[in-house]
Amino acid sequence: DAGVIQSPRHEVTEMGQEVTLRCKPISGHDYLFWYRQTMMRGLELLIYFNNNVPIDDSGMPEDRFSAKMPNASFSTLKIQPSEPRDSAVYFCASSSNQGVGRNEQFFGPGTRLTVL
Amino acid sequence: TQLLEQSPQFLSIQEGENLTVYCNSSSVFSSLQWYRQEPGEGPVLLVTVVTGGEVKKLKRLTFQFGDARKDSSLHITAAQPGDTGLYLCAGRATSGTYKYIFGTGTRLKVLA
Repeated sequence: DAGVIQSPRHEVTEMGQEVTLRCKPISGHDYLFWYRQTMMRGLELLIYFNNNVPIDDSGMPEDRFSAKMPNASFSTLKIQPSEPRDSAVYFCASSSNQGVGRNEQFFGPGTRLTVL
Repeated sequence: TQLLEQSPQFLSIQEGENLTVYCNSSSVFSSLQWYRQEPGEGPVLLVTVVTGGEVKKLKRLTFQFGDARKDSSLHITAAQPGDTGLYLCAGRATSGTYKYIFGTGTRLKVLA
């Protein structure tokens, strides 16, 4: 398995632009998580899905952030409009609640977002 | 709001030394995980502890979950440069949720 795949790996954009981050979870995993990591705030959970349904979005900073999971193999995190304070590394992770290693979150390599 | 405080925040030691990292909270967690993250990569799970007082060993790493399930420790024996990285603890609030709260992190550097 290729693991969790995220794209792009790096994104540099200007304030006010729309940014879309993409994630492909591990096949067969039924949970998908979006995190944001900064030096100041550490690793914060933004939202997580179970079977493509958003379960907890209490970590989404504000209405400028939205996440979707149209099918079991794809999710997006969109920021519109972007602001400099959104600059961070965004991680996607997936997990399964069954079998050996259940509840282990497998993280992607992250997308480093810089908003100028 | 549940918080997980880790200490120390930064640690720089010589190869061969022992160290302990702490993860503390005022909240009870149903389980706790430890991850290690290297630069440019996502965190990788090291261990999950579930029972209060539980001790797990992974080669030179020893993990303990506090009796009251509010805290945990990670002890590394004879640290090696390959242990360098960011260590994160993550607590799961209740058994009915899959939401994990991550700790503030301990950045470890082991010098050869």
